[in-house]
Amino acid sequence: QSVLTQPPSVSAAPGQKVTISCSGSSSNIGNQYVSWYQQLPGTAPKLLIYDNTERPSGIPDRFSGSKSGTSATLGITGLQTGDEADYYCGTWDSSLSVVIFGGGTKLTVL
Amino acid sequence: QVQLQESGPGLVKPSETLSLICTVSGGSISAEYWSWVRQPPGKGLEWIGFIHYRGSTKYNPSLKSRVSISRDTSRNQLSLNLRSVTAADTAVYYCAIAPSTADAFKFWGPGTMVTVSP
Repeated sequence: QSVLTQPPSVSAAPGQKVTISCSGSSSNIGNQYVSWYQQLPGTAPKLLIYDNTERPSGIPDRFSGSKSGTSATLGITGLQTGDEADYYCGTWDSSLSVVIFGGGTKLTVL
Repeated sequence: QVQLQESGPGLVKPSETLSLICTVSGGSISAEYWSWVRQPPGKGLEWIGFIHYRGSTKYNPSLKSRVSISRDTSRNQLSLNLRSVTAADTAVYYCAIAPSTADAFKFWGPGTMVTVSP
């Protein structure tokens, strides 16, 4: 059971938009930055979003992040089959003094 | 292009110590947090701990009594030791570096699978 709650799966058609939610509490998302990762099958996670909304260089602007209160959201527009992957949110929890991750969301592009 | 590479035994016996090294090549990284993250087969990510560039360490409380992380800056290496392993420690182990925010891992190694089995 993860401290951060993500939907187990989401799906959408190519070219469409999808959002993935990450719900936490005041000890983590509510007062800390949130990161998002994409993990393609058999590979290491890749940083998509950091500090809630920032994209590292090389990450297309199809990927966006937002945060409101104790929840964060990853948005992906113009879906491509290559976006099929597991997506994880992450943040620091000030009560537990740990980096925590959500349980992951599997994106299927139909 | 900075690259990270984990190395170490792929098989460890129960009750023994899991020891891994992460070697950074291709240049130097100016970063605050040098971490280990693991992922059991078919499961999600679990943060093990980090060593700050100033030398302090922070560990996941669930592993704190068994884990130690160190860094050899002269060799550009990060090390992980996990004592008294059990089958529950079977996972892919990643080294990951966060330049400024502890959870924003910008650089990752490809990971190394470690199986705990007699």
